[in-house]
Amino acid sequence: DIVMTQSPLSLSVTPGEPASISCRSSQSLLSSIGYTYLDWYLQKPGKSPQLLIYLTSNRAAGVPDRFSGSGSGTDFTLKISRVEAEDAGVYYCMQALQAPTFGQGTKLEI
Amino acid sequence: QITLRESGPTLVKPTQTLTLTCTFSGFSLSTDEEGVGWFRQPPGKALEWLALIYWNDDKRYSPSLKSRLTITKDTSKNQVVLRMTNMDPVDTATYYCTHRLALRYRGLDVWGQGTTVTVSS
Repeated sequence: DIVMTQSPLSLSVTPGEPASISCRSSQSLLSSIGYTYLDWYLQKPGKSPQLLIYLTSNRAAGVPDRFSGSGSGTDFTLKISRVEAEDAGVYYCMQALQAPTFGQGTKLEI
Repeated sequence: QITLRESGPTLVKPTQTLTLTCTFSGFSLSTDEEGVGWFRQPPGKALEWLALIYWNDDKRYSPSLKSRLTITKDTSKNQVVLRMTNMDPVDTATYYCTHRLALRYRGLDVWGQGTTVTVSS
């Protein structure tokens, strides 16, 4: 299994300030066809997870542009340029190169 | 618009077999690239992938749970069924189904609302 490690595991941010979450994989997520299979999901309290970013840096439909993803190989970052109250929840990175595995989750408090 | 909805029992006894159904709309599992996956989340814990089925009946399973899982599709009913044998209290979780594409991957772009399953005698 590919092990995903997130940091920090919790984060408290003031509205309007930036936030950053790191995710590291135990092996490269670069595929033979040139895509890097790393996604980011947000799970708001009591809700299903929702897709934010796919293939490292592509925002999903309807996701505000204050969310951005970057990285390569084994090191990835999710950034929120200006946190809003609605961004509270648990953020997960997930690799989809092999059998999908998730990070432990990062709880963002506003 | 793609939607998915999970259904099944809320309570199962240890050693029983769990059968969950994912009923979807907005796409067809007879169309190239389409796929449906199952995930679960124990209370207070992280997400875990269980199984995946594609339009061409390609099936994938979590290595750690493979011996207990069976995923099937009914294209005419727009349903995907997951069976998990020999249920144990540690299998207590919320179970989700998701939509995904194969090679034209765009993430797990739509999730069902989830169904909570408790394993207890």
